[in-house]
Amino acid sequence: DIQMTQSPSSVSASVGDRVTITCRASQPIGSWLAWYQQKPGKAPKLLIYGASTLQSGVPSRFSGSESETDFTLTISSLQPEDFATYYCQQAHSLPATFGQGTKVEIK
Amino acid sequence: QVQLVESGGGVVQPGRSLRLSCGVSGFPLSSYSMHWVRQTPGEGLEWVAVISFDGSAKHYADSVKGRFTISRDNSKNTLELQMNSLRPEDTAVYYCARDLEKGIDYYLDYWGQGTLVTVSS
Repeated sequence: DIQMTQSPSSVSASVGDRVTITCRASQPIGSWLAWYQQKPGKAPKLLIYGASTLQSGVPSRFSGSESETDFTLTISSLQPEDFATYYCQQAHSLPATFGQGTKVEIK
Repeated sequence: QVQLVESGGGVVQPGRSLRLSCGVSGFPLSSYSMHWVRQTPGEGLEWVAVISFDGSAKHYADSVKGRFTISRDNSKNTLELQMNSLRPEDTAVYYCARDLEKGIDYYLDYWGQGTLVTVSS
């Protein structure tokens, strides 16, 4: 199985901060990567797929990029509603696998 | 609007069976592949199974292969997961989720609210 390793596991930030979360795949996955946001007690929400394509309705402050097996989710200016846990997921090979999550907390 | 609603979760003894259902509305089920994903506090998110839009293709995680069966009834707008020989490690919140495309691409754009399955004696 392809292992997805996220870093950091948690980050403390303030409203207006730029936040970057990284996900590394254990082998090449092309651009087959998604990012999800999950709030407590809720289901995950798709933010980005294809490494950099913004899902419909997702604010443009969210962006995704890639460099070989390293993928980055950036929130350009953190808003109060963005405090949540973020997961990456590879969609290249069965089984689809998720990173362990990054919790974005209020500083 | 798109809605997915899971049901059928509960407490079950190891070795027993449970059947989860997912009722969908707001979109034609027959046009989308569908997935089950589970989540535990310790293990995070784990993809469980997928079924193609017409039911012709099914794939499973190794951890459930041979024990779980995914099925769908497009005429009834329902997705199901039959879980047999349950183990304590199957304890999780189970989500049904829609694939972004008609084909299987593993991007999950809509999720249900989840149903909790607890396997314990």
